[in-house]
Amino acid sequence: DIQMTQSPSSLSASVGDRVTITCQASQDISNYLNWYQQKPGKAPKLLIYDASNLETGVPSRFSGSGSGTDFTFTISSLQPEDIATYYCQQYDNLPFLFGQGTRLEIK
Amino acid sequence: EVQLVESGGGLVKPGGSLRLSCAASGFTFSSYSMNWVRQAPGKGLEWVSSISSSSSYIYYADSVKGRFTISRDNAKNSLYLQMNSLRAEDTAVYYCARDRVAAAGSDYWGQGTLVTVSS
Repeated sequence: DIQMTQSPSSLSASVGDRVTITCQASQDISNYLNWYQQKPGKAPKLLIYDASNLETGVPSRFSGSGSGTDFTFTISSLQPEDIATYYCQQYDNLPFLFGQGTRLEIK
Repeated sequence: EVQLVESGGGLVKPGGSLRLSCAASGFTFSSYSMNWVRQAPGKGLEWVSSISSSSSYIYYADSVKGRFTISRDNAKNSLYLQMNSLRAEDTAVYYCARDRVAAAGSDYWGQGTLVTVSS
């Protein structure tokens, strides 16, 4: 199985800060990576697909980069409504494992 | 508007069975692969099973293989998950999710249905 190591597990930042989350795959997954946002009590929401493509309707402050084994998710200017847990997911090979998640809080 | 509505969750004893359903609307259901993803209380997301648009390809996580069966009825725009031999560790919110494109993660998710396995 391709393991996904996501870091940090939690993060506290101020409104307006630039926030970065990383996800490392245990083997090369090309760009077969998604990023999701999950707010408490809600279903996950797709933000980024194919490592760097912004899903329709998602604000441009969200972005993704990387390929191979190392990936980065960035919020350029943190907003209060961005408080959530963020997950990466690889879809290069079954099982389509998720990262452990990053809980983002406002400082 | 794409909508996915799960049902069928509830409380079941260990060793019991449950069948989850997901009613889809707002898109051509028969054109999309579908998934079940679960989330144990306070934990992360776990992919459970996927089924291709015509049911030709079916995949399971090792944790549920041999106990769970995914199926779909394209005429009824519905996805199912038959869960047998349930264990306490199967306790979770189960989400139905549509593949963005085949085997490329999910772009739309239902609100989830809670399955609790407890005596």
